[in-house]
Formats: sequence, structure tokens, C-alpha cells
Amino acid sequence: DGGITQSPKYLFRKEGQNVTLSCEQNLNHDAMYWYRQDPGQGLRLIYYSQIVNDFQKGDIAEGYSVSREKKESFPLTVTSAQKNPTAFYLCASSGQGEYGYTFGSGTRLTVV
Amino acid sequence: KQEVTQIPAALSVPEGENLVLNCSFTDSAIYNLQWFRQDPGKGLTSLLLIQSSQREQTSGRLNASLDKSSGRSTLYIAASQPGDSATYLCAVLYGNNRLAFGKGNQVVVIP
Repeated sequence: DGGITQSPKYLFRKEGQNVTLSCEQNLNHDAMYWYRQDPGQGLRLIYYSQIVNDFQKGDIAEGYSVSREKKESFPLTVTSAQKNPTAFYLCASSGQGEYGYTFGSGTRLTVV
Repeated sequence: KQEVTQIPAALSVPEGENLVLNCSFTDSAIYNLQWFRQDPGKGLTSLLLIQSSQREQTSGRLNASLDKSSGRSTLYIAASQPGDSATYLCAVLYGNNRLAFGKGNQVVVIP
């Protein structure tokens, strides 16, 4: 079945560490996105990529980095510069035209 | 900047009643509008996608309408069931393929 796979489901980070969240899709979608979800704030866009080897900052990119070396993969690194990384992270993808967005099951990141 | 508002933020209904969830957006220049369902601690599941040229979409007990000129969409869920308890999110696609979300309608269906 086609879909988006996010891993791990739960991730714990110590202060000062960088961590990488994985997002893989087999939908042959060109565009991929990372969102952060906090209680009461809705979803906020971190980074997005519309084609391989290209990506743009979203609304809250500070403290995060991404790469898009393959169409299927869009990993997100949460760096030590992100001061409040505890949140639920969602990856999404979309195809051309009318297909809407498909979301993964999310990664919950907690700072310990 | 596109802003999406969902009212009410939370509601409870007895089982069997129809649910009506509202979504409004500030910029009518949208490509499409999508309704999602989110269960606690889970990702988003797409329910209905309405293209900007369409007025409504239906899937089973779900019906979503779109009035682009007034910046409104409504999601109807007929004969609600306890399994419908979840948060429902409205999102509009606009501009440079950007998706703007509302904060959601948290629904509890009481058996």
C-alpha cells in the first residue's frame, strides 16, 4: 500500500543533541512537508520541498534543517539551536493537481 | 496571509445526532480545501477534498460543502457514532502550494 512512513514513533533528546526524524513516501509525490503540532496552536510549517535537491523554509524553520537527496525521502534534523523542540512532528506529501495532502503517523519528540 | 478558523473549538453531542463543523478562511483565492480527522497521538487522515471549482463532496455519512466567495466550508456528519469522536481539521491550499490549517474541532460523541 502507498503511504508515508515516519520513524521513530517516539524520540527522546538530551539537551544539546541533534536528532533526525525520518520520513519516507512511496506515493511518487513531488512535494514533501514537515509540520510541527503543539497543543492549542494547530499545525505550523517548518520546511517544504517541491522537487529533489530543493527546499524552502516555512514559518518556523529556525533550529531545524532538512535535505532532499531522493524523491522518496525528506529527513528533518532538530538541532541544538531549537530551544523548545518538544512537540509532535508530522510529515506530509502531495502530488500534482488535485490529490490533496497525505500525512504520516507522526513522531513525538521529547527533551529529557 | 491566509488564516483559517474553526468554530466551535470543542463540542459534545449525543450518539445519533448530526454533527455540523464550521471552517472559515480569509482569502478566497484557494486551490482546494481538505478536511482531516486526527485521533489522539496519531497522524492526520484525509476525509474529503473539495476542489475550488466544486461546491461539495460526499463520502458515506460525511458531506462537506464549500462556498469560496464567502470563505466558508461546513462538514456534516450524519447520525454520529462514538467512533466519530476525534479532532477534525480543516485546511486550505493557497498561494505557492501552501497549506493553512485551522486549530480543529474537538468532537466527543456520547453513547
